Amino acid sequence: AQTVTQSQPEMSVQEAETVTLSCTYDTSESNYYLFWYKQPPSRQMILVIRQEAYKQQNATENRFSVNFQKAAKSFSLKISDSQLGDTAMYFCAFMKPAGNQFYFGTGTSLTVIP
Amino acid sequence: SQTIHQWPATLVQPVGSPLSLECTVEGTSNPNLYWYRQAAGRGLQLLFYSVGIGQISSEVPQNLSASRPQDRQFILSSKKLLLSDSGFYLCAWSYGVSNYGYTFGSGTRLTVV
Repeated sequence: AQTVTQSQPEMSVQEAETVTLSCTYDTSESNYYLFWYKQPPSRQMILVIRQEAYKQQNATENRFSVNFQKAAKSFSLKISDSQLGDTAMYFCAFMKPAGNQFYFGTGTSLTVIP
Repeated sequence: SQTIHQWPATLVQPVGSPLSLECTVEGTSNPNLYWYRQAAGRGLQLLFYSVGIGQISSEVPQNLSASRPQDRQFILSSKKLLLSDSGFYLCAWSYGVSNYGYTFGSGTRLTVV
């Protein structure tokens, strides 16, 4: 079974600073996909970034980047130049190839402080 | 462009009452459709998914059921709600078996009293 662990229930960061959210996962699969989703107070889930396990290069999307360590089964999210609009719950998720299901972590609540 | 609509946004229902949550997708055909539930302090849990009209797969046995009467319509139902059915319900869609992630609706907050 696949499990996803987010060990930081809550975090805060000063506006314009950088913050890193942690995520580890457990799987016996060799190929898979990892995601970070953002859920702002509006509650809509928004895809932030996606990583393919067979790609060694870390994914980046503007101010968002990941540190993917396959051997350690770690997938952390770095948010640079934090903005007030980044305040949200962040979920790490795992998906098997040709799978119909996400496996989500329990989330990290991030607050950006002005 | 594709859009997903989910309603109602909030719902308060007494124990034992029926439930019907609706989700529709526009701008695409034959999408894969999903119902997820998010309990307080927990991640999302897949409840049902559908790859076509009348095709429903259940991931977690419980007091809920799902139906897909039309290609772009997905309904979550219950005949008699339990207190434990309270939570946040999200509908989502994808192109086939998509490894590019899903597009989620805005969710329904259900409180069973």
